[in-house]
Amino acid sequence: GEDVEQSLFLSVREGDSSVINCTYTDSSSTYLYWYKQEPGAGLQLLTYIFSNMDMKQDQRLTVLLNKKDKHLSLRIADTQTGDSAIYFCAPGGNQGGKLIFGQGTELSVKP
Amino acid sequence: NAGVMQNPRHLVRRRGQEARLRCSPMKGHSHVYWYRQLPEEGLKFMVYLQKENIIDESGMPKERFSAEFPKEGPSILRIQQVVRGDSAAYFCASSPLDSLEAFFGQGTRLTVV
Repeated sequence: GEDVEQSLFLSVREGDSSVINCTYTDSSSTYLYWYKQEPGAGLQLLTYIFSNMDMKQDQRLTVLLNKKDKHLSLRIADTQTGDSAIYFCAPGGNQGGKLIFGQGTELSVKP
Repeated sequence: NAGVMQNPRHLVRRRGQEARLRCSPMKGHSHVYWYRQLPEEGLKFMVYLQKENIIDESGMPKERFSAEFPKEGPSILRIQQVVRGDSAAYFCASSPLDSLEAFFGQGTRLTVV
């Protein structure tokens, strides 16, 4: 079946940039999403990128897509302690609700 | 406009009992998706429903699990004769027609003892 791979943990210092990487196998993905999950909570959509784009910037978030290598990354500038959470990469189609999730990357931000 | 509401938030069942999980989508949303998150894992798609129709149930286990989204009322995910391996967080998401964005509820954490 389709697969999404992420590294499990990332630790950064407050104020640094964080880069969370993701590789996927489904070449037919139309949109690629990034979700954030805080402890005991549901998922919050952070941003998404259309598959024919290379980059999307949204305030502190920058998404880079290398479609050829099926590699997606999320960069968080000026990382804050409130950014500590699990981040999920999720390729999807035109219907935003059916997604394939990776295991998630747990971001820990140290003061 | 309230978000996606799931209840109960926590549910404890003994092996062999039935679990019923409810999801009320956001107002105006006609599409509902159910996901399961096992401990230390990502979310796995289970089923996609529209009002009174199951559109895609490719992620549903073949036995004991069923889902519905009636014309009136919440969507229900039903697990019969629960086993310990069913212990997980179950998330519901909803979206309007032809939308790129799905909104997730806070989940129901099922514990089977």
